Amino acid sequence: GAVVSQHPSRVICKSGTSVKIECRSLDFQATTMFWYRQFPKQSLMLMATSNEGSKATYEQGVEKDKFLINHASLTLSTLTVTSAHPEDSSFYICSASGGRAAEQYFGPGTRLTVT
Amino acid sequence: SQKIEQNSEALNIQEGKTATLTCNYTNYSPAYLQWYRQDPGRGPVFLLLIRENEKEKRKERLKVTFDTTLKQSLFHITASQPADSATYLCALPGRAGGFKTIFGAGTRLFVKA
Repeated sequence: GAVVSQHPSRVICKSGTSVKIECRSLDFQATTMFWYRQFPKQSLMLMATSNEGSKATYEQGVEKDKFLINHASLTLSTLTVTSAHPEDSSFYICSASGGRAAEQYFGPGTRLTVT
Repeated sequence: SQKIEQNSEALNIQEGKTATLTCNYTNYSPAYLQWYRQDPGRGPVFLLLIRENEKEKRKERLKVTFDTTLKQSLFHITASQPADSATYLCALPGRAGGFKTIFGAGTRLFVKA
């Protein structure tokens, strides 16, 4: 199956700093990428959907100025958590789709801890 | 709004037995339903997709059923192995169409040797 990577896998940052997470589709062109957040023992919550070359569409309740998403190429999307706070600590997972709605390939996730 | 319910209690079974997980949904008639496996600290891995016109789908030791009248899907793992221990997520396409996917909270399965 298709491979999606995320970097870093774990990151610890201080409150008030910004953190960038990269999501790459390694062997296919991802026309659409998704960013999810998952708290312990809870379901994946979609944060935003991004299409290559256009602005991301954010879900209700997700602050677009706090969670900056860039999908500059067909193989790379980045999520930047700006001015991170302890409540932003979570597991962030990206997924990528090559064009068929039912086919999403997930990255391994990034564990963010804000101290 | 769309709602997906999976048993929040962990399922513990003995190796070799069949594990059966349930996914119920409301307020929606999805065109398809998906099952994913998620290991701790990892992203979900796609397992199976079943469409609304399919009653049952199989893949190796996995079997999924889809009852659109009951609004329920059952996920079976036959001849279960300790390596099958993971959280299994049910997922549906968003009501508005497009690419949005709604996930259930998952059911944790433990298979004891």
